[in-house]
Amino acid sequence: EIVMTQSPATLSVSPGERATLSCRASQSVSSNLAWYQQKPGQAPRLLIYGASTRATGIPARFSGSGSGTEFTLTISSLQSEDFAVYYCQQYNNWPQTFGGGTKVEIK
Amino acid sequence: QVQLQESGPGLVKPSETLSLTCTVSGGSISSYYWSWIRQPAGKGLEWIGRIYTSGSTNYNPSLKSRVTMSVDTSKNQFSLKLSSVTAADTAVYYCARANDMDAFDIWGQGTMVTVSS
Repeated sequence: EIVMTQSPATLSVSPGERATLSCRASQSVSSNLAWYQQKPGQAPRLLIYGASTRATGIPARFSGSGSGTEFTLTISSLQSEDFAVYYCQQYNNWPQTFGGGTKVEIK
Repeated sequence: QVQLQESGPGLVKPSETLSLTCTVSGGSISSYYWSWIRQPAGKGLEWIGRIYTSGSTNYNPSLKSRVTMSVDTSKNQFSLKLSSVTAADTAVYYCARANDMDAFDIWGQGTMVTVSS
């Protein structure tokens, strides 16, 4: 099973600032990597798939990069609605696995 | 737009079988992979398994011996059965659709299942 490790566990950011979240895979997952946003009491929402393709309706301030084992989600200018937990997920190998999440909180 | 809705008992006794159904509305269930994912309170996400509309399945090896999934295309529904449950199976259970890149683009709202006597 591929282990997905996200860092940091918690990221404190002021509104309007840039947030950079990392995700590392224990072995290569090519570009088969997705990012999700989850707010309290809600289901996850797909932000990015294929490592860098924004899902339908996702604002341009969200961008993804990376391939192989190292991936990054960048939120260029944090809005109030962006404070949430973010998960990465690999779907290159069975079983599909998720990272432990990064909580983005207001500084 | 396509929406998913989980349904089933919110309380299951230890050693019994957890049974959930996901109803797909606003679109056809055909030609997609449909997954179940769970999340214990305050923890991360665990993929349980998936089913195609043909009925072919893939299960997480960690749960494979206890999981059965099925699909009913006439009702636009798919289902999960998890046998011999313990307290460790207490979680919010989500159903989700995979897009053509295998990412989960549509999710149900989730249903809380508690395993307790």
